Amino acid sequence: ILNVEQSPQSLHVQEGDSTNFTCSFPSSNFYALHWYRWETAKSPEALFVMTLNGDEKKKGRISATLNTKEGYSYLYIKGSQPEDSATYLCAFEAGGNRLAFGKGNQVVVIP
Amino acid sequence: EAGVTQFPSHSVIEKGQTVTLRCDPISGHDNLYWYRRVMGKEIKFLLHFVKESKQDESGMPNNRFLAERTGGTYSTLKVQPAELEDSGVYFCASSRATAGGQNIQYFGAGTRLSVL
Repeated sequence: ILNVEQSPQSLHVQEGDSTNFTCSFPSSNFYALHWYRWETAKSPEALFVMTLNGDEKKKGRISATLNTKEGYSYLYIKGSQPEDSATYLCAFEAGGNRLAFGKGNQVVVIP
Repeated sequence: EAGVTQFPSHSVIEKGQTVTLRCDPISGHDNLYWYRRVMGKEIKFLLHFVKESKQDESGMPNNRFLAERTGGTYSTLKVQPAELEDSGVYFCASSRATAGGQNIQYFGAGTRLSVL
């Protein structure tokens, strides 16, 4: 069983503030770490795939870091906007292609 | 390029009935996956096709679930007979063939199944 934990489960952020949240995953048999952005009733949207320890990736105001030795990844949102409201899903890939997801970080940006 | 499409978007059936979900992957994607999210829980892997072959079906809950991908294009997931605990959102995803590279899985919007 692959245990992927995301915290906090939900958070409210004032518009314009920056925020971050954590995904922890097994540090053994690591192949890749995926981040998705998901709005209910829509397709989860791939944000990042990270494979190397120390990887940092950025897409607009959203960025992510990866530490495979200690088994965690951070996702940052800079200057939150209402359109950032969504659930951010972290998924661990151990090879073999199947993804093991966390429960998600539900973000609500308050105008 | 069209994304992953799933049909229907929502299905309401009674316990004991049969339901078939369909997934059309992105054209040219050899890999096709089925996942399920039960309310309040994480998205869980069901199975993985490479073209028409089942590569990994270790996540299938029981023999009431049957997935097919004849011809290696679209896939169907049939639940027969449906039970109350089968309710949830069924996601399909697809990705290109990978040889040690990044495996970006593109998801459909899901089929919300309600078993009453």
